[in-house]
Amino acid sequence: GNSVTQMEGPVTLSEEAFLTINCTYTATGYPSLFWYVQYPGEGLQLLLKATKADDKGSNKGFEATYRKETTSFHLEKGSVQVSDSAVYFCALSDAGGGSEKLVFGKGTKLTVNP
Amino acid sequence: DSGVTQTPKHLITATGQRVTLRCSPRSGDLSVYWYQQSLDQGLQFLIQYYNGEERAKGNILERFSAQQFPDLHSELNLSSLELGDSALYFCASSVGVSKGGGTQYFGPGTRLLVL
Repeated sequence: GNSVTQMEGPVTLSEEAFLTINCTYTATGYPSLFWYVQYPGEGLQLLLKATKADDKGSNKGFEATYRKETTSFHLEKGSVQVSDSAVYFCALSDAGGGSEKLVFGKGTKLTVNP
Repeated sequence: DSGVTQTPKHLITATGQRVTLRCSPRSGDLSVYWYQQSLDQGLQFLIQYYNGEERAKGNILERFSAQQFPDLHSELNLSSLELGDSALYFCASSVGVSKGGGTQYFGPGTRLLVL
């Protein structure tokens, strides 16, 4: 079945450091790929998405490129802030079968220190 | 604010009991999804409804059931509760099924604690 593998955390960085969170997937068909973020005590918020190969999703300084050849969707940010501290989830959806249920990775907790 | 509402925010109950979690989707969204987030299992898809009809089932226990009403709100019923059912339950909604990968918007979740 479809699956998502994320780098294990936690990740601790200093403010203004470069961030990479690795995400690879296994899927049949052509899934859409997502990054969701969960701030402490809150629900999931969509951070960015990409729906086909070579698409780049971007939002709030975060970027991720859909790489079909390496089945990857790594999340990057050039300069993190304390306010980026949260748990980040990589996910895929496959609309085959009439459902767009999301399959999530286990999440990566990011802490940014001032 | 995603526009998806969930009630209650917190629920504390005892083993063997039954609870109902409620979700109101964003205005105009026809699909509702339920997910369970627990420390050991992570985020798992439970069930999806589209315009009142069950569309897909995931790892949902037989003790759990859901439905979507004509006004499109949804309820997740959990019965014969066990300690292991303690988790955060999220509802998400999207416009519907689309090949482009419809975005799911998540509610704030209901935190269930079974004692």
